[in-house]
Amino acid sequence: DGGITQSPKYLFRKEGQNVTLSCEQNLNHDAMYWYRQDPGQGLRLIYYSQIVNDFQKGDIAEGYSVSREKKESFPLTVTSAQKNPTAFYLCASSPGTGVDSPLHFGNGTRLTVT
Amino acid sequence: AQSVTQLGSHVSVSEGALVLLRCNYSSSVPPYLFWYVQYPNQGLQLLLKYTSAATLVKGINGFEAEFKKSETSFHLTKPSAHMSDAAEYFCAVSDRGTGNTGKLIFGQGTTLQVKP
Repeated sequence: DGGITQSPKYLFRKEGQNVTLSCEQNLNHDAMYWYRQDPGQGLRLIYYSQIVNDFQKGDIAEGYSVSREKKESFPLTVTSAQKNPTAFYLCASSPGTGVDSPLHFGNGTRLTVT
Repeated sequence: AQSVTQLGSHVSVSEGALVLLRCNYSSSVPPYLFWYVQYPNQGLQLLLKYTSAATLVKGINGFEAEFKKSETSFHLTKPSAHMSDAAEYFCAVSDRGTGNTGKLIFGQGTTLQVKP
């Protein structure tokens, strides 16, 4: 079955450590996105990529980095510069970037930093 | 710039009762609107989308939404709630401020509780 796989589902890290969240899709979608979800705040866009080897900052990119070396993969690194990294992270993809293209979501990674 | 506002962070209904989740949008251009559902510790699943073809949009699981330009609203309804409808619901609008990027702007979410 085609879909988006995020791993791991739960991740624990100590403050000051960088951590990388995995996102893989086999939907052959060109566009991929990372959102952060906090209670009562909805989803906020961190980074997005419309094509391989290209990506753009979203609304809350500070303290995060990404790469898009392969169409299928869009890993997110949460760096030690992110002041409040504990959150639920959602990866999504879309077959195109048209305004009517819905996003397909993975099941998320819950990151806890102590 | 586009934005959406979901009125009511929590909605509680009895099983079999009407479900009404409210979403108002702000957009200087014709909006493209979406409703998503999220079950605990899972990703979001598309319920339905409005792309200007018809003002009444039918989605999965018996949900539908009506686009009302005069009220800048896109409320989600279901005639009869089922226990399995308990989840968090998000309204979203396509971000058309920076060209075609496929980005969505989400509301804060509404948690639906269904009582037996």
